[in-house]
Amino acid sequence: AQTVTQSQPEMSVQEAETVTLSCTYDTSESDYYLFWYKQPPSRQMILVIRQEAYKQQNATENRFSVNFQKAAKSFSLKISDSQLGDAAMYFCAYTYSGAGSYQLTFGKGTKLSVIP
Amino acid sequence: GAVVSQHPSRVICKSGTSVKIECRSLDFQATTMFWYRQFPKKSLMLMATSNEGSKATYEQGVEKDKFLINHASLTLSTLTVTSAHPEDSSFYICSAIGTAFRYEQYFGPGTRLTVT
Repeated sequence: AQTVTQSQPEMSVQEAETVTLSCTYDTSESDYYLFWYKQPPSRQMILVIRQEAYKQQNATENRFSVNFQKAAKSFSLKISDSQLGDAAMYFCAYTYSGAGSYQLTFGKGTKLSVIP
Repeated sequence: GAVVSQHPSRVICKSGTSVKIECRSLDFQATTMFWYRQFPKKSLMLMATSNEGSKATYEQGVEKDKFLINHASLTLSTLTVTSAHPEDSSFYICSAIGTAFRYEQYFGPGTRLTVT
């Protein structure tokens, strides 16, 4: 069974600094997708970034980038120039093409606090 | 694009009554919709997967007679909590997958259900 592990229940970062959130996953599949979702206090799930496993290049979206290490099954999220609005729960998630309807497997989440 | 709405955003009902939550894809056709439950400070727990015109597939441990799911059209899925009890109080989130990005889920804003 596929599992997603986020080992950091809580993290904090100083405003304007950089923080890295960790995520590891376990799968025997070769064709899969990884995501980072942000859930602010409003509880709306917001897609931060996605990574297709077949792509070697790490995905980047403005201040957000990932370090995708396929052999190590690691998918960390780096937030640069942290802003107060980045404070939220962050969930790492996985899906694969053989999951029928592309069901997501979520990690337990990391609560990120941004210190002014 | 890819907006998913939920209605209502908050609902309070008395124990023993039923309550219906609607999930709509506003600008795309959703071939598959998912229903999640989220407890405070916890990750999302998949309850069921529904495909348009088909019976929903429920996750292990989810009572299909208590949580009725109907996916009557490509833009609407409903979750009905029947004979609600206080332990059904939770945050319910739906998501949808369209044909453009078959592996990416778009999330609704969630519904806070309180059973008194």
